[in-house]
Amino acid sequence: DIVMTQSPDSLAVSLGERATINCKSSQSVLSTSNNKNYLAWYQQKPGQPPKLLIYWASTRESGVPDRFSGGGSGTDFTLTISSLQAEDVAVYYCQQYYTSPSIQFGPGTKVEIK
Amino acid sequence: EVQLLESGGGLVQPGGSLRLSCAASEFTFSSCAMNWVRQAPGKGLEWVSVISSGGGTTYYADSVKGRFTISRDNSKNMLYLQMNSLRADDTAVYYCAKGLVGINTPFDYWGQGTLVTVSS
Repeated sequence: DIVMTQSPDSLAVSLGERATINCKSSQSVLSTSNNKNYLAWYQQKPGQPPKLLIYWASTRESGVPDRFSGGGSGTDFTLTISSLQAEDVAVYYCQQYYTSPSIQFGPGTKVEIK
Repeated sequence: EVQLLESGGGLVQPGGSLRLSCAASEFTFSSCAMNWVRQAPGKGLEWVSVISSGGGTTYYADSVKGRFTISRDNSKNMLYLQMNSLRADDTAVYYCAKGLVGINTPFDYWGQGTLVTVSS
């Protein structure tokens, strides 16, 4: 199985400041056949199910604010919140679906307000 | 709006069985791969199982293979997870989740989850 790691485990950012979360996969999730990275990002607020934010590493899901952006390729990826809002407090998970149906999630990164 | 509503969770003794259900609405259920994902209390997300749109193809995480069975009834827009030989480490909130397109795509809609507690 691909092992997904995230850093940091948690971070505290001031309102309006940038938050960056890193995700690393133990092997590449870039498909050479379609040049797509099989990497998604989810947001989970307390007491709620996860919500899909980003897929194909950088495609924003419909309705997701443009302050959320995804980047990276191969084994190293980032989720950036350009200007943190109070409603962005949550745990963020990356997910690889390259080896689907065997799918792995990262351990999560908790984002809080400083 | 897409809705997924899980039910069937509860307290069960180790070695026991439980059947979870997920009622889907407001989308073409029969065209979508469906998944079960679980989350142990205070822990991260673990994919459990997936079933193709027609029900003919199923896959399981190694941790549940041979004990859990995923199924669906497209005439009723229902997804199921039969869980047998339950263990304490199966304790989790179980979510049903819709595949964005097919089996090898992320999950664009999730239910609210149903809690399964395995304890004597």
